[in-house]
Amino acid sequence: DTGVSQDPRHKITKRGQNVTFRCDPISEHNRLYWYRQTLGQGPEFLTYFQNEAQLEKSRLLSDRFSAERPKGSFSTLEIQRTEQGDSAMYLCASSSSAGGSNQPQHFGDGTRLSIL
Amino acid sequence: DAKTTQPTSMDCAEGRAANLPCNHSTISGNEYVYWYRQIHSQGPQYIIHGLKNNETNEMASLIITEDRKSSTLILPHATLRDTAVYYCIVRAIGGGTASKLTFGTGTRLQVTL
Repeated sequence: DTGVSQDPRHKITKRGQNVTFRCDPISEHNRLYWYRQTLGQGPEFLTYFQNEAQLEKSRLLSDRFSAERPKGSFSTLEIQRTEQGDSAMYLCASSSSAGGSNQPQHFGDGTRLSIL
Repeated sequence: DAKTTQPTSMDCAEGRAANLPCNHSTISGNEYVYWYRQIHSQGPQYIIHGLKNNETNEMASLIITEDRKSSTLILPHATLRDTAVYYCIVRAIGGGTASKLTFGTGTRLQVTL
């Protein structure tokens, strides 16, 4: 399978703990996005990387959230001091700049985070 | 990005064409129309996108009106596996960067026997 891969698929943790999610984009995709989705809503944008540079961050990305893409390949999203409101599906998507900026984003199946 | 309006839900009989409408009356000249769908517990799946011409691929057809203020996604022969939430998204392109997708709540398509 050469699609976007996310790990873990599910994470259950106690409030106040730190969690880290990993995303492996489609090979050779230089753009990577993180989204968050709560029940009954569409995904909401969190942040965007082009190669290793983080080019855009949503105001949803509080200071407890940090994302990295150190070598321009896989990315991690860390949430510190988790809160009940962080319970959601965290989705990663990737796209290529080759062929123009209209290239579609392709999504992984997400990491579902549950805060106890 | 321009906002979109979609019906909350639709039903379609298996084997029939599913026509999903989307209004985007404030669309700008540099904005594309994208369609994604999301099956329960999976990530959104890209279907098709277009600027002003009609587009067709192995999954669906996209019909965009001449004034670009609305579009229709057509699944020519719906199957039970097409039951999903369908999102119509308008996305600005250009400036050397790739913008985010802004999802609404979509149309819940139920395909029935």
